[in-house]
Amino acid sequence: AQKITQTQPGMFVQEKEAVTLDCTYDTSDPSYGLFWYKQPSSGEMIFLIYQGSYDQQNATEGRYSLNFQKARKSANLVISASQLGDSAMYFCAMFSPGNSGYSTLTFGKGTMLLVSP
Amino acid sequence: DAGVIQSPRHEVTEMGQEVTLRCKPISGHNSLFWYRQTMMRGLELLIYFNNNVPIDDSGMPEDRFSAKMPNASFSTLKIQPSEPRDSAVYFCASSFQTVNTEAFFGQGTRLTVV
Repeated sequence: AQKITQTQPGMFVQEKEAVTLDCTYDTSDPSYGLFWYKQPSSGEMIFLIYQGSYDQQNATEGRYSLNFQKARKSANLVISASQLGDSAMYFCAMFSPGNSGYSTLTFGKGTMLLVSP
Repeated sequence: DAGVIQSPRHEVTEMGQEVTLRCKPISGHNSLFWYRQTMMRGLELLIYFNNNVPIDDSGMPEDRFSAKMPNASFSTLKIQPSEPRDSAVYFCASSFQTVNTEAFFGQGTRLTVV
């Protein structure tokens, strides 16, 4: 079964510092996609970054990068130069085919990030 | 495209009443997901559809919950009868049926059952 684990319920970081949010996953499918979403206090789910299981290089999107370690089944999100607006809940998610053969999107429990001035 | 559209944004209802949540996915997407979000359980997948066909409804908590997708542009999630423990934010998301494209979420429906 597909599973996403985020072990950090909350993280604190000072403005302008970098922060790493942890994510490990479990799947037996060779083809899968890993995603990070941001959910600010307003409640919407905002897509941040994607990493494919066959991608050789780590994904980057502006200040976001994904530290993909396939052998360890980890997909940590790195936010560089944190900003006050980065304070939000962050979810790691995985698309994988599963038993049905149809891709379903499984989420972790999330990590609450608070950025202080 | 306007994105995934959910209605209503907020719903307050009395215990025992029927509640219907609505979702319009992004045109062209062939997968649709319903999630429930609570503080205790996080984001739970309730059901997902592919090409309007329910693929997996194992996340639907009870027989009081039902979901339909009569066509590619519309889906409903119905709770009958509603109970206070159903209070949550319900999200609809749509995507292409592939592992390498993101799912797009609606704004969610905040349901309160009193």
